[in-house]
Amino acid sequence: QVQLVQSGAEVKKPGASVKVSCKASGYTFTSYYMHWVRQAPGQGLEWMGIINPSGGSTSYAQKLQGRVTMTRDTSTSTVYMELSSLRSEDTAVYYCARMYSSSRGNAFDIWGQGTMVTVSS
Amino acid sequence: DIQLTQSPSFLSASVGDRVTITCRASQGISSYLAWYQQKPGKAPKLLIYAASTLQSGVPSRFSGSGSGTEFTLTISSLQPEDFATYYCQQLNSYPIFTFGPGTKVDIK
Repeated sequence: QVQLVQSGAEVKKPGASVKVSCKASGYTFTSYYMHWVRQAPGQGLEWMGIINPSGGSTSYAQKLQGRVTMTRDTSTSTVYMELSSLRSEDTAVYYCARMYSSSRGNAFDIWGQGTMVTVSS
Repeated sequence: DIQLTQSPSFLSASVGDRVTITCRASQGISSYLAWYQQKPGKAPKLLIYAASTLQSGVPSRFSGSGSGTEFTLTISSLQPEDFATYYCQQLNSYPIFTFGPGTKVDIK
């Protein structure tokens, strides 16, 4: 079945970097754009950025520019999100989400299970 | 950037109630709006896209309407499994697809 499986929880110190993976299966990896969304404890959903798994092009939320990098490995159908210079405000659950596109519009139809990243000294 | 607001932010309702949640966009987004349901500790689940198209497998008691700047999500008869937080998302300003702040539906 179509699914996205993310890597496990991480605990990092302020100033460090974290890299979260999202492995896709059950569909053609390069046919769907992938997004990253995060959710701080008790808060709403925040869009972080998008990657085109086919060509690797990316676009990031302005507030994360310079700290976030999204990459992909087509040989393993995996996308990665790396966030650097971590601060306490980056503590959140990080989700990857597949974007479904149709003539009517787009939506995030498949989500990973989420990866908890805790930033603490 | 397009901003989304949702009302109410919190809603207390009983099983069987008809529930309506409103999402407003700071500028027109045509019908490029989706609705998601999220339960505690779980990833969001797509309910509706293109403002009114029901995602496959989603019960027909969920419906969406609207275009431009005002949208609604309606649950015709609230079921126990519907108690959750609901988010709208605009998909007009590619590729920045912002979410609304959420509406929590709780048991009365």
